[in-house]
Amino acid sequence: KQEVTQIPAALSVPEGENLVLNCSFTDSAIYNLQWFRQDPGKGLTSLLLIQSSQREQTSGRLNASLDKSSGRSTLYIAASQPGDSATYLCAVGGQGGSEKLVFGKGTKLTVNP
Amino acid sequence: DTGVSQDPRHKITKRGQNVTFRCDPISEHNRLYWYRQTLGQGPEFLTYFQNEAQLEKSRLLSDRFSAERPKGSFSTLEIQRTEQGDSAMYLCASSLEFEKLFFGSGTQLSVL
Repeated sequence: KQEVTQIPAALSVPEGENLVLNCSFTDSAIYNLQWFRQDPGKGLTSLLLIQSSQREQTSGRLNASLDKSSGRSTLYIAASQPGDSATYLCAVGGQGGSEKLVFGKGTKLTVNP
Repeated sequence: DTGVSQDPRHKITKRGQNVTFRCDPISEHNRLYWYRQTLGQGPEFLTYFQNEAQLEKSRLLSDRFSAERPKGSFSTLEIQRTEQGDSAMYLCASSLEFEKLFFGSGTQLSVL
């Protein structure tokens, strides 16, 4: 059974700092990995999708990497802003051909002005 | 592209009542998913459709839960004889095959 762990559970940083969020998964037989952002009481917004054949994806100040063999992914946020404050969720999908995404519990990020 | 719409946004019901939620996906997306999320947890998969066919169901989806996607467009999720443990945010998402998922804002269910 796939399990996804995110560390740390919460993170508080001053504005402008670069930061890294970590995600690990137990079964490396995945099709893709996605990073999502969730604001309180809201749905999820997809940030980056990495296919299993890719090593990283970039969008603006965000960069996500994937190391399937070690079962790890990182989300790097450059020059953090207060508007980045949210919960960031990692999800792995496509195990055994299934479309089901398995999510971690998320990292709650607070960026202080 | 108007995004994924879910209705209602909030639902309060008494234990034992039936509730139905609706999801309208992005029009060109053939995949539609239902997830459930409780406080402090990541979303848990419930079921998904490709067009009108329900292709996978989680063990979480007891016989009190039923989902449909007639004509491969909108979907409904019905919970019969609700229990307090059903209180959660119910999230709908849509996508193209193995592409990014787009989530709706969810329906927050409270069972009293």
